Amino acid sequence: QVQLVQSGAEVKKPGASVKVSCKASGYTFTTYYMHWLRQAPGQGLEWMGKINPSGGSADYAQKFQGRVSMTRDTTTSTIYMEMRSLRSEDSAVYFCAREGVGLPAATFDYWGQGTLVTVSS
Amino acid sequence: DIQMTQSPFSLSASVGDRVTITCRASENIITFLNWYQHKPGKAPKLLIYTASTLQSGVPSRFSGSGSGTDFTLTIRSLQPEDFATYFCQQSYNTPWTFGQGTKVEVK
Repeated sequence: QVQLVQSGAEVKKPGASVKVSCKASGYTFTTYYMHWLRQAPGQGLEWMGKINPSGGSADYAQKFQGRVSMTRDTTTSTIYMEMRSLRSEDSAVYFCAREGVGLPAATFDYWGQGTLVTVSS
Repeated sequence: DIQMTQSPFSLSASVGDRVTITCRASENIITFLNWYQHKPGKAPKLLIYTASTLQSGVPSRFSGSGSGTDFTLTIRSLQPEDFATYFCQQSYNTPWTFGQGTKVEVK
């Protein structure tokens, strides 16, 4: 069965970087685009960007361009999201999600369980 | 960006109740509207896509309707496992945007 398992919670200081992982299993890793999203406390979900696990190319929401990098490792079927220059407003639960094939674009058919990132001095 | 507004923010219901949640888009998104269910600490789950198509494996008590800017998620007869937060998402244009969520709680 399809599983997306994310790395554990992180606590970071302002100005630091964080790297969250999402390990996929149960399907052909390179077939499906993968997305990163986040949800700050009391807020709705926010889309951050997507990566093509096949070629490694990534597209970012304008808000995160220059501060976020999305990469993948095909040998371990894992994608990564790195965010730099963290600030308190980046405290949120970060999710990876798979974009379904044969479904409209940006229809997320499987999600990770979420990774809590806390930015605090 | 397309703004997605859900209502209500939360609701209290009993097992067996019919529950209706609405989602309004700030512009015409045709039927590019998805619904998800989210339970605390779990992965969100896709329920409905393109406004009314039930995702494989989702019980038929869930249904979606609407087009343009106004959409509805209906749970025909609420079951104990349905107490969760539901949120909508537009898949019409980037950046993909979401409603704030509706928490369905036990009455």
